[in-house]
Amino acid sequence: NAGVMQNPRHLVRRRGQEARLRCSPMKGHSHVYWYRQLPEEGLKFMVYLQKENIIDESGMPKERFSAEFPKEGPSILRIQQVVRGDSAAYFCASSPQVSSYNEQFFGPGTRLTVL
Amino acid sequence: GNSVTQMEGPVTLSEEAFLTINCTYTATGYPSLFWYVQYPGEGLQLLLKATKADDKGSNKGFEATYRKETTSFHLEKGSVQVSDSAVYFCALRMEYGNKLVFGAGTILRVKS
Repeated sequence: NAGVMQNPRHLVRRRGQEARLRCSPMKGHSHVYWYRQLPEEGLKFMVYLQKENIIDESGMPKERFSAEFPKEGPSILRIQQVVRGDSAAYFCASSPQVSSYNEQFFGPGTRLTVL
Repeated sequence: GNSVTQMEGPVTLSEEAFLTINCTYTATGYPSLFWYVQYPGEGLQLLLKATKADDKGSNKGFEATYRKETTSFHLEKGSVQVSDSAVYFCALRMEYGNKLVFGAGTILRVKS
């Protein structure tokens, strides 16, 4: 059973460009979470999604950031008009629909660098 | 709000030394508590967890006990190895919540 997949692993963007980060949850998992890790800080929750629904986006910045988890395909975290402060590691986690809901399985992360 | 505080690092130990990484939390309610480990260039892996007061989580020689009276969940290992070098994160999740709340992380370096 493959783990949580994220791509790309490293992404470099210039200020003003768009960044798209992809996350494929573990097989059978329908809950996806996105976290951001700023340099030398812990992970901060951004958004929690189920298939085709955003359940909790309390950690998402109000502007430029959006997330989706379509019926088919990976979850996408989209950052428009990136700024240097967006440079961070973005981690995706997934959990199964029922039971063991306390554990979230993390992907390897996407490291975004904004020049 | 809910929060987690960890001891600052880096913590540098010699092989076979005893390890303690302190973690305290603030929460309204009854959280589950977790320790995650992050090896260089990788994502987080769940190390151990405890879901109620006085529970002890253990894995790979690491242990942590959920202490409600002191709101703590300190990580311990009796004899560390070089391969334990990593960043350790303490986290909580509320009873009816979904998101994890993380501490800032503690870097552990073990020298041979």
